[in-house]
Amino acid sequence: DVKVTQSSRYLVKRTGEKVFLECVQDMDHENMFWYRQDPGLGLRLIYFSYDVKMKEKGDIPEGYSVSREKKERFSLILESASTNQTSMYLCASRLGTSYTYEQYFGPGTRLTVT
Amino acid sequence: RKEVEQDPGPFNVPEGATVAFNCTYSNSASQSFFWYRQDCRKEPKLLMSVYSSGNEDGRFTAQLNRASQYISLLIRDSKLSDSATYLCVVNPDSNYQLIWGAGTKLIIKP
Repeated sequence: DVKVTQSSRYLVKRTGEKVFLECVQDMDHENMFWYRQDPGLGLRLIYFSYDVKMKEKGDIPEGYSVSREKKERFSLILESASTNQTSMYLCASRLGTSYTYEQYFGPGTRLTVT
Repeated sequence: RKEVEQDPGPFNVPEGATVAFNCTYSNSASQSFFWYRQDCRKEPKLLMSVYSSGNEDGRFTAQLNRASQYISLLIRDSKLSDSATYLCVVNPDSNYQLIWGAGTKLIIKP
């Protein structure tokens, strides 16, 4: 079974703090994704990576950056957290770039910025 | 108009009934389609892909109507465990990004 883990289930940070969200997958998947999920809006893609050290902006990259130094690990960084970044953050991985491949998700990190 | 639209529900359905819901998409060139299921406070998981000819997996049937640009999900003999939010996902073109609907919430009542 594919396993995608995220470093925290719940996180509370203050405005202006730098926040690191970590994601690890154990199935040697090439592609990894960071989404945020907000009520009524569905999942929105922040960044994705199709290989080590490669990254592409998604639909809402502003205020975020990512790092993928190793194949199994994809980190999301909030450079200076703001209250409008309070959300559920979901990491996903996929075997390869074909859109027919299933995305496997981690359990999510619910981030609250106060 | 949103790229992928779903009725948010909730659909309240008695156990054993049949329920169906649709998802409309705006890009007529969309390549592939999926239904994911998301339980309360859990991550999404793939339920089924949607093929041009339609496909069935047990009690679940997915259909694609390209002319009217919607996909549908039919659940027969619904179980309490079918209660979840069902997310419609569309690949709008040949790249590998997916567009996610906001989901339809289904509640199966005993």
